[in-house]
Amino acid sequence: GQQLNQSPQSMFIQEGEDVSMNCTSSSIFNTWLWYKQDPGEGPVLLIALYKAGELTSNGRLTAQFGITRKDSFLNISASIPSDVGIYFCAGQQGSNFGNEKLTFGTGTRLTIIP
Amino acid sequence: ETGVTQSPTHLIKTRGQQVTLRCSSQSGHNTVSWYQQALGQGPQFIFQYYREEENGRGNFPPRFSGLQFPNYSSELNVNALELDDSALYLCASSSRLAGVSDTQYFGPGTRLTVL
Repeated sequence: GQQLNQSPQSMFIQEGEDVSMNCTSSSIFNTWLWYKQDPGEGPVLLIALYKAGELTSNGRLTAQFGITRKDSFLNISASIPSDVGIYFCAGQQGSNFGNEKLTFGTGTRLTIIP
Repeated sequence: ETGVTQSPTHLIKTRGQQVTLRCSSQSGHNTVSWYQQALGQGPQFIFQYYREEENGRGNFPPRFSGLQFPNYSSELNVNALELDDSALYLCASSSRLAGVSDTQYFGPGTRLTVL
């Protein structure tokens, strides 16, 4: 099945550093979402974006919906140990009947070096 | 408010067997979606259920089937298990009103191992 291209695949950073990751698609999406998944858990929604060009923040997290509707990025400022995990982007064609399936990226694994 | 729950947590089966996974949707949610997440990959959409009917299906064979019950809980059934079916199976629930769905919230998943 289709998966979105997410980069980088993994990141090793020190506590306090800023993090940036992005996601690209060959298809247009009308909604972009960012999830975080911890080991043994399901994905947890971090940020949802509904309009091209939209920039949205959630605490130390900031995400943008690309103008072309084919990409999105996520920034994490001043990383802390609990930021460790795998981050997934997901695109959604729409929220109406039959278009709600999520297409996920390949994931970015974030590790904080002591 | 009760979140999405799934059972069992872990399951081990052998090739050719059949398996049933269960999901209880979050309180107030009427739509359930199932995803398969292979090791090191992002989740892949299997299908979605609304009003006890399948509403949209991903690229999965007919041996993957499901049910939704009047209380909105759901089952995923997989027949004739293959080694490649080993994965984390995730259930996500959402609320659909007037044809428009809200955000999908995921359960913790069921880890299926096929030997």
